[in-house]
Amino acid sequence: DTAVSQTPKYLVTQMGNDKSIKCEQNLGHDTMYWYKQDSKKFLKIMFSYNNKELIINETVPNRFSPKSPDKAHLNLHINSLELGDSAVYFCASSLLTVTSNYGYTFGSGTRLTVV
Amino acid sequence: QKEVEQNSGPLSVPEGAIASLNCTYSDRGSQSFFWYRQYSGKSPELIMFIYSNGDKEDGRFTAQLNKASQYVSLLIRDSQPSDSATYLCAVRTGGGNKLTFGTGTQLKVEL
Repeated sequence: DTAVSQTPKYLVTQMGNDKSIKCEQNLGHDTMYWYKQDSKKFLKIMFSYNNKELIINETVPNRFSPKSPDKAHLNLHINSLELGDSAVYFCASSLLTVTSNYGYTFGSGTRLTVV
Repeated sequence: QKEVEQNSGPLSVPEGAIASLNCTYSDRGSQSFFWYRQYSGKSPELIMFIYSNGDKEDGRFTAQLNKASQYVSLLIRDSQPSDSATYLCAVRTGGGNKLTFGTGTQLKVEL
């Protein structure tokens, strides 16, 4: 069983389109994240939800809107796609505790290409 | 100054040698430190974490932390070609379990 699963794995779309990426985890974690990895491999956090509550919202264009219907699911909707949105988007999950030394478990990633 | 800095490499070592990967961070309040390995086209995979000063060993991997110098390193003993990957350093700060990643060091283990 896949621990953190993302769909789709690949997404090729034209500029101006709207697209969504879905993520699900079956690890019993209470916190989920969206990270963007650019062509230079730099992983940058975008959003984080804990039990459906948004707890991290980095400086991201408002064309990006996350939604978490429950603690096992986190989706990312992107409006009016631009060339610069091309990247690999990773979903991750973890347990959120003050003393937690858990790292994240990452999904397999969604490679988004905007043409 | 970047929050988490790594030398991008590539770092080339011969098979069987010790690979030494370094990472510095800017936030003195950082609490936990992680090393992830990422193969090309794959997702990052957690290989080590450390939160106390000193060394932590797990098999061929040793993580070293020096909070006074704001420095964390990863040693890989008896390097194998299968260790060839990008190694990402990540630092946890604050209470929200936010991990800030470095840009990664590409390691090449040569036969």
